[in-house]
Amino acid sequence: DGGITQSPKYLFRKEGQNVTLSCEQNLNHDAMYWYRQDPGQGLRLIYYSQIVNDFQKGDIAEGYSVSREKKESFPLTVTSAQKNPTAFYLCASSIQAVNTEAFFGQGTRLTVV
Amino acid sequence: QQQVKQSPQSLIVQKGGIPIINCAYENTAFDYFPWYQQFPGKGPALLIAIRPDVSEKKEGRFTISFNKSAKQFSLHIMDSQPGDSATYFCAASIQGAQKLVFGQGTRLTINP
Repeated sequence: DGGITQSPKYLFRKEGQNVTLSCEQNLNHDAMYWYRQDPGQGLRLIYYSQIVNDFQKGDIAEGYSVSREKKESFPLTVTSAQKNPTAFYLCASSIQAVNTEAFFGQGTRLTVV
Repeated sequence: QQQVKQSPQSLIVQKGGIPIINCAYENTAFDYFPWYQQFPGKGPALLIAIRPDVSEKKEGRFTISFNKSAKQFSLHIMDSQPGDSATYFCAASIQGAQKLVFGQGTRLTINP
């Protein structure tokens, strides 16, 4: 089955720790994205990548980092510098063209304890 | 200028009613307006999309109305069903930017 897989579904971390969220896609899409979802705020773009070994900051990149070493993978690291990391994180991908459908994963709910 | 404002934040409708969700934008460079549907614990999925060269688009029970001069667009759900209960997001993007700007979301409940 083609799709986007995010893991884990639930993640708990202690304050001051870095944590990495996994995102893998087998849709052969060039572009991948990370969004953060908070109640009443919609989806806000953290980082996006249009091609391997290249990525750009989105609207709320502070406290996050990404890598894009393989076309299929776009992991997101939530660092200890992120002041309010508890949220629902969504990964998406699309073909390398404008105005096309973005396909989303099932999301990872991160809770800082 | 990059914002998309969505209303209402929540909406409750009886089965068979026609819920309407509205979105407004400022940036006239936006040229693609999709709607996404999200069920609890799942990622959003594309429902329907429109470009500004048309004023209306229908897909099944879902209709987008687009008013270019007012910079507004809306989603109508005909003959709504309890299974339509979900969170709906409008979005917009600029050609060449390949980034979606999302509205705040509307939590829709269809009562049986």
